Amino acid sequence: AQKITQTQPGMFVQEKEAVTLDCTYDTSDPSYGLFWYKQPSSGEMIFLIYQGSYDQQNATEGRYSLNFQKARKSANLVISASQLGDSAMYFCAMREGGSQGNLIFGKGTKLSVKP
Amino acid sequence: KAGVTQTPRYLIKTRGQQVTLSCSPISGHRSVSWYQQTPGQGLQFLFEYFSETQRNKGNFPGRFSGRQFSNSRSEMNVSTLELGDSALYLCASSLTSESGTQYFGPGTRLLVL
Repeated sequence: AQKITQTQPGMFVQEKEAVTLDCTYDTSDPSYGLFWYKQPSSGEMIFLIYQGSYDQQNATEGRYSLNFQKARKSANLVISASQLGDSAMYFCAMREGGSQGNLIFGKGTKLSVKP
Repeated sequence: KAGVTQTPRYLIKTRGQQVTLSCSPISGHRSVSWYQQTPGQGLQFLFEYFSETQRNKGNFPGRFSGRQFSNSRSEMNVSTLELGDSALYLCASSLTSESGTQYFGPGTRLLVL
């Protein structure tokens, strides 16, 4: 079974609008971390935001926020006020507690921002 | 602070050859992880090193190996290259193995002909 599921292969959003990228995860470990990365066409993975399983509040980093619903095992990324430079692949990833170095990635969502 | 650097950025090899990729982590980071990214399989974990010791390994054949030096720089080696090894190889560093955000380098694009 997939541990990280991103159901949207591609998404379009109008510039300056908000967009939500979906991510669900599967783990029986009570301690885990969830990450979102952005990968432009250049290939580099850019860290966006982190949410720990014990964090009480949803994480926010500038225009990025994470809608963390623990009971539903979802960790959706919300990008507010989309910019043309936001066009890229977006990956959700999880690290289970005690797992050394191993990030488990979803298959990604390709976001295209239209002017 | 300088980010993660990887060399070379691009590489073309032929089947049967071997290749060595290098990764220099962010200063102060002692954990280095390697990932392979292909269109078919996505991002897959190769291995992780911390303080010169391999702490975790993904499901890859023994042709894939790595090491870490005392300055935390890491190398990965692929012997007897196969066409299917063509991929983007990403290195990531973090402060520790079990926690902390992994910061990625620009990757090495390997093409095997």
